[in-house]
Amino acid sequence: EVQLVQSGAEVKKPGESLKISCKGSGYSFTRYWIGWVRQMPGKGLEWMGIIYPGDSDTRYSPSFQGQVSISADKSISTAYLQWSSLKASDTAMYYCARWVTARGEVYFQHWGQGTLVTVSS
Amino acid sequence: SYELTQPPSVSVSPGQTARITCSGDALPKQYAYWYQQKPGQAPVLVIYKDSERPSGIPERFSGSSSGTTVTLTISGVQAEDEADYYCQSADSSGTMGVFGGGTKLTVL
Repeated sequence: EVQLVQSGAEVKKPGESLKISCKGSGYSFTRYWIGWVRQMPGKGLEWMGIIYPGDSDTRYSPSFQGQVSISADKSISTAYLQWSSLKASDTAMYYCARWVTARGEVYFQHWGQGTLVTVSS
Repeated sequence: SYELTQPPSVSVSPGQTARITCSGDALPKQYAYWYQQKPGQAPVLVIYKDSERPSGIPERFSGSSSGTTVTLTISGVQAEDEADYYCQSADSSGTMGVFGGGTKLTVL
């Protein structure tokens, strides 16, 4: 069974750094893209970017390029989403999900449970 | 940047048919996908490749495509279908994903 288990909720102050994680199991971690999705309070889903753990090829939505960093450690089947300096506007639920790309298809097939990030002074 | 447009809300009575649309210029070239999200839960895929249904999704969920618009249809709506629904596709290059703004389905 494919599972994506995310790290727990975080409460941070503006200007602090943060790295949240997403551990995959039940499949070959290096052979599927992993993506991150933001959902701000009461708002919709936003596609942030994806990473291919096999070679760390990474793609960002223009809206998030330079704002966050996506990485992966294939030795422990874990993907990461990182901020160097948080802002209050980063307060949101963040989901990781397995990104399927095959035969012209591109979609999130399996989702993590979400990590709530709260940034407040 | 590429955008997908959905109506903010749709309301139907139990047993009726709900139709949620999603419009985007690249939809004739890229498949569309639909996710259901209930409060406090992660999204769940309900339709892929415009009209395919994943295993475990009830038959009352269906999808269709026509030109720059795709439609999620829920026939015989039940109270448990009340949720937010998001369409998702890719830009014309197929490398970047994008979500629609979401539609809140209210079962009256």
